[in-house]
Amino acid sequence: AQKVTQAQTEISVVEKEDVTLDCVYETRDTTYYLFWYKQPPSGELVFLIRRNSFDEQNEISGRYSWNFQKSTSSFNFTITASQVVDSAVYFCALRGTGRRALTFGSGTRLQVQP
Amino acid sequence: GAVVSQHPSWVICKSGTSVKIECRSLDFQATTMFWYRQFPKQSLMLMATSNEGSKATYEQGVEKDKFLINHASLTLSTLTVTSAHPEDSSFYICSARFPGTRGTDTQYFGPGTRLTVL
Repeated sequence: AQKVTQAQTEISVVEKEDVTLDCVYETRDTTYYLFWYKQPPSGELVFLIRRNSFDEQNEISGRYSWNFQKSTSSFNFTITASQVVDSAVYFCALRGTGRRALTFGSGTRLQVQP
Repeated sequence: GAVVSQHPSWVICKSGTSVKIECRSLDFQATTMFWYRQFPKQSLMLMATSNEGSKATYEQGVEKDKFLINHASLTLSTLTVTSAHPEDSSFYICSARFPGTRGTDTQYFGPGTRLTVL
């Protein structure tokens, strides 16, 4: 069975603060794929990143960075210098080898106050 | 990224009627599409996997006779909620699998359809 846990239900920060969203996953597959999606108030899911289990290199894309730690089964997401436009619900998701659908975490609602 | 559209974006219907939701991959061919359901302030739950040219695969607990899925072409999948009831009110989101090599495929999501059954 696969499981994704996002323990932080809601986070509120002030603009320009850094914020880290936690994601812990469980899977028996040796090869798997991790994702982060953003869901703004409009509802549409926006793809942010995909990480393969065999690639533990951390990634930075502008103000976004991801820390993949296979040893702790975590795939955390950090936003540096947060902005109001970052306010959204962020979902971490997992896809195993034999399954094409995604298993989503419960999501973390981020509110960035001006 | 790849573009997936959904139509309609919202629909209000009376109890007992059927509602069809379309999901299209606009700039790529998707042999596999997925239908998810999201209740307010909750996560996305997979309802079914739609495969072009074959029957959909439903998740446990999802009534296949109530949620009819048709994937007639490589760019279109439809979800029909038959005899809708208020408890079917939800946000329905489709995604299309953008193919890649050796597991690098990514799912792109449609904008969602908000269904309200009165």
